[in-house]
Amino acid sequence: SQQGEEDPQALSIQEGENATMNCSYKTSINNLQWYRQNSGRGLVHLILIRSNEREKHSGRLRVTLDTSKKSSSLLITASRAADTASYFCATDALKKSSGDKLTFGTGTRLAVRP
Amino acid sequence: EPEVTQTPSHQVTQMGQEVILRCVPISNHLYFYWYRQILGQKVEFLVSFYNNEISEKSEIFDDQFSVERPDGSNFTLKIRSTKLEDSAMYFCASSHRGKIDTQYFGPGTRLTVL
Repeated sequence: SQQGEEDPQALSIQEGENATMNCSYKTSINNLQWYRQNSGRGLVHLILIRSNEREKHSGRLRVTLDTSKKSSSLLITASRAADTASYFCATDALKKSSGDKLTFGTGTRLAVRP
Repeated sequence: EPEVTQTPSHQVTQMGQEVILRCVPISNHLYFYWYRQILGQKVEFLVSFYNNEISEKSEIFDDQFSVERPDGSNFTLKIRSTKLEDSAMYFCASSHRGKIDTQYFGPGTRLTVL
């Protein structure tokens, strides 16, 4: 898979349900960030998890990181219609030569039905 | 909460024309970035800028592109002679400490080249 590839590509759930999105990457990372993008709008930072962390919480968001499997998951609990958006993971590669550029995944389009 | 701002929100230009996209990063941030997102595709890194010089650039960032920090607050991206394939959403981002820190994105400038 490509660096920063999310699955599923699209997810449709009922309001109140939990939504889980996964991200896989290829190279070793310094950290991994999740962003949300409403249709045609900017990228909103959700959470950053460092390579030495395994789990992080922020409100209704829970992110896990498994560096041995080179994967991360984003869980949104008790989803709301306002959570409808595209969600991207972005990785910052560990190699010094890669600088601090972020490599984005293809994104998961989440639709929360009221 | 401080945020990255970008102007204009939408720019329409003719092929071959020069465009300047403007960004005001968060005031105490030291690292600045430009990314772009062609419609329906991934967000792609263009260039990073620190200490008044380019620290890294992608293959996309060819001689037609340049960046500048003309004063203490603005960060600009210039495209000298636009092509149709330059049509995209351009995002500016900034971070305080670079590699170990969150990158905060602006709302984007939608560039349409006719």
